[in-house]
Amino acid sequence: QLQLQESGPGLVKPSQTLSLTCTVSGGSISSDTHYWSWIRQPAGKGLEWIGRIFTNGNTNYNPSLESRLTISIDTSKSQFSLRLSSLTAADTAVYFCARGTVGRGGWFDPWGQGTLVSVSS
Amino acid sequence: DIQMTQSPSSLSASVGDRVTITCRASQRISTYVSWYQQKPGRAPKVLIYSASTLQSGVPSRFSGGLAGTDFTLTISSLQPEDFATYYCQQSYIIPLTFGGGTKVEIK
Repeated sequence: QLQLQESGPGLVKPSQTLSLTCTVSGGSISSDTHYWSWIRQPAGKGLEWIGRIFTNGNTNYNPSLESRLTISIDTSKSQFSLRLSSLTAADTAVYFCARGTVGRGGWFDPWGQGTLVSVSS
Repeated sequence: DIQMTQSPSSLSASVGDRVTITCRASQRISTYVSWYQQKPGRAPKVLIYSASTLQSGVPSRFSGGLAGTDFTLTISSLQPEDFATYYCQQSYIIPLTFGGGTKVEIK
């Protein structure tokens, strides 16, 4: 079955850039019917969609983060990545990667287990 | 952005109770809503998509509905493993957005 696993630093300093990678296993990252997303959740709070990338490299970003965000994909490694710059304490959260289903009405399944990122000096 | 307003934000219920959670969209979004269950320290898990389609493997006590712009998630008979936080999510337009969550606690 398809599995996703996030990796990256647990602690990043303010103003620096966060880089996270999601590795897809148990299935193909190349798909016409799915896309790959990042979602985050501050401790004790709700879920915020960060952005998504399709296998062809097309992206959509949350406007609230777009100026600081880059999502990329490497199909040869079955990985997709997030880069978020100019970090502040407000970016402290658990970051999840997830597969989305293409089209309106699409849903996220499966999800990675999540990785906690703390922004602190 | 489409706002998804969930209610209640929390509720207390007993095993065997029927529970309904509501999510109101700030504009019409057809049936493009999914529902997720999240337990502490775990990733969310999809229960329902397209407003009322049960994800494979999800127990039939979970159901989804729509009345106007109000989406509902109903648990017909609450089980011990159902105590969790539930989120709705719209996929009608970018940015994709989630409701604020409903925590279902044991009475």
